[in-house]
Amino acid sequence: SSELTQDPAVSVALGQTVRITCQGDSLRSYYASWYQQKPGQAPVLVIYGKNNRPSGIPDRFSGSSSGNTASLTITGAQAEDEADYYCNSRDSSGNHLKGYVFGTGTKVTVL
Amino acid sequence: EVQLVESGGGLVQPGGSLRLSCAASGFTFSSYSMNWVRQAPGKGLEWVSYISSSSSTIYYADSVKGRFTISRDNAKNSLYLQMNSLRAEDTAVYYCARDIRSTGGFDYWGQGTLVTVSS
Repeated sequence: SSELTQDPAVSVALGQTVRITCQGDSLRSYYASWYQQKPGQAPVLVIYGKNNRPSGIPDRFSGSSSGNTASLTITGAQAEDEADYYCNSRDSSGNHLKGYVFGTGTKVTVL
Repeated sequence: EVQLVESGGGLVQPGGSLRLSCAASGFTFSSYSMNWVRQAPGKGLEWVSYISSSSSTIYYADSVKGRFTISRDNAKNSLYLQMNSLRAEDTAVYYCARDIRSTGGFDYWGQGTLVTVSS
């Protein structure tokens, strides 16, 4: 089955920029979505599609993609951005959709 | 306001069954595909199953295929997950999530319901 690989952990100084990457073959065909999850809470969508933010998500969150790699960038990280971040995308076998796949997750620490 | 509220979790013995429900409100449920996603304690997110708005298209993760059944009742604005032959590795918080038709992804999530499979 498909896999989406993320770095397990990254750290960023308060106010600086951090980029989280997600690699996998499904990203050559489908958009990545990105989710923020804080301890004990449900995930929250932060980026979807080409680079779309749901209502209420700060514009310091942005997304990009090239080839088999999608990226989530936090420009000017805030203390409240400390969380786990997951990517996901649709998944297929040949030309047939077969559901979704999640990335392995990245823990972001704001120093 | 979009709301998704899961229920039906609990403690079940290995080999047992459980039925999860997800009550939807604040949007036209019958127009949206829906998903179940789970998260084992201390682990990452795992997509479990997808159902289209009319129930005509259904997908399952390989890990649950043949044991879990997703369904929906659009008249009741409800999504279900029937889980049979449960194993210890099915222990997780189960979330229902609304599908983004245009791009893929999940724009709204419930708060989750905990399923514990243990003797």
